[in-house]
Amino acid sequence: DAKTTQPPSMDCAEGRAANLPCNHSTISGNEYVYWYRQIHSQGPQYIIHGLKNNETNEMASLIITEDRKSSTLILPHATLRDTAVYYCIVRVPINDMRFGAGTRLTVKP
Amino acid sequence: EADIYQTPRYLVIGTGKKITLECSQTMGHDKMYWYQQDPGMELHLIHYSYGVNSTEKGDLSSESTVSRIRTEHFPLTLESARPSHTSQYLCASRGTGGHGYTFGSGTRLTVV
Repeated sequence: DAKTTQPPSMDCAEGRAANLPCNHSTISGNEYVYWYRQIHSQGPQYIIHGLKNNETNEMASLIITEDRKSSTLILPHATLRDTAVYYCIVRVPINDMRFGAGTRLTVKP
Repeated sequence: EADIYQTPRYLVIGTGKKITLECSQTMGHDKMYWYQQDPGMELHLIHYSYGVNSTEKGDLSSESTVSRIRTEHFPLTLESARPSHTSQYLCASRGTGGHGYTFGSGTRLTVV
């Protein structure tokens, strides 16, 4: 699976959009981009995934660049409860999931 | 509601004791996983199973063992607990071809 690079930490003001970047320059054609988050050592929670098109669900939007070498997870109106570690993972779906260090997002009042 | 359950949520136990951490899922998922996570650190895959009677070791060497006698049940056992085993243990599952993993709430183990 392709390696991903994420900033170790980010801050965001409550009510503002949180934009979390992820670089995956070695991604191959059959690898998907997945985002999970972990709130205060609970089990990680699935957020969204995509292959090449932008995706949106009730939690977030995923923007993937045309060359697929990077992506951005967008939380449109961040709340204090969105404070968590966010993991960007690139893998072929059949493969098992490995986690990196992720980005620690802190939403501030 | 289908879900994945881990018990106990917290466990404090003395050195040398044998312990079993329970993990059960009601979704009929074939694939199940155990991850270990020290506070503030990354999750590491320690065991996985692709079905009944199938178990494999993960990336991080662990003295624990697992079994998969039933699809829904994937317990983790430590024969003789040591302080170095103090950590959080997270269980997860997914269906064949499924994109998403479902995680349990974890067991926070402290060995004194």
